Amino acid sequence: SYVLTQPPSVSVAPGQTARFTCGGNKIGTKSVHWYQHKPGQAPVLVVIDGSGRPSGIPERFSGSNSGNTATLTISGAEAGDEAAYYCQVYDNIHDQVVFGGGTKLTVL
Amino acid sequence: QVTLRESGPALVKPTQTLTLSCTFSGFSLTTSGMCVSWVRQSPGKALEWLAFIDWGEDKFYNTSLKTRLSISKDPSEDRVVLTMTNMEAVDTATYFCARIWADTRGFTFDYWGQGTLVTVSS
Repeated sequence: SYVLTQPPSVSVAPGQTARFTCGGNKIGTKSVHWYQHKPGQAPVLVVIDGSGRPSGIPERFSGSNSGNTATLTISGAEAGDEAAYYCQVYDNIHDQVVFGGGTKLTVL
Repeated sequence: QVTLRESGPALVKPTQTLTLSCTFSGFSLTTSGMCVSWVRQSPGKALEWLAFIDWGEDKFYNTSLKTRLSISKDPSEDRVVLTMTNMEAVDTATYFCARIWADTRGFTFDYWGQGTLVTVSS
């Protein structure tokens, strides 16, 4: 089955750029979506299909996807961005939804 | 406005069957590309996809849990039901239902419910 690998944590100072990686075999050929999840709340879709941004998501959130790595970037991180960030793909060979293990962002 | 709301027991005993409902509004599950899914998060763990049902009522399950799960659509209302058999303590989690929008951009979880906490304990 398809596996997505994310580092467990990322720390940045306020105003800096936070980058989250999501590794998977030939992930660049897949549609990757990113979610922000704060404790006690519903997850929120922040990037669609590698680099698209849903309505209402600030331009500070962007994404890219190539080769074996997809990346979510938050420019000018704020305290309110502290959350876990998950990547997700659909494994259409096995008809499985796959989430990465999540990366927790700390804004110091 | 799309909304989804989970409901079900907060506490189940080991070996019991869990039945959760997802009542949704603002879209039709018969529209091509629409799906309703269940995702859970155990304490301190990552999101884990469980199952989804699509606009044609085809059903898809997490391979590792397939033997314990069943997802169905209530024919009389906008409600999707998930059952999970033989509950264990490790199944203690917050269970979310979510809408999946399936199109050329893939399978996207674009709307989520707030989740319902289920604790498995005797």
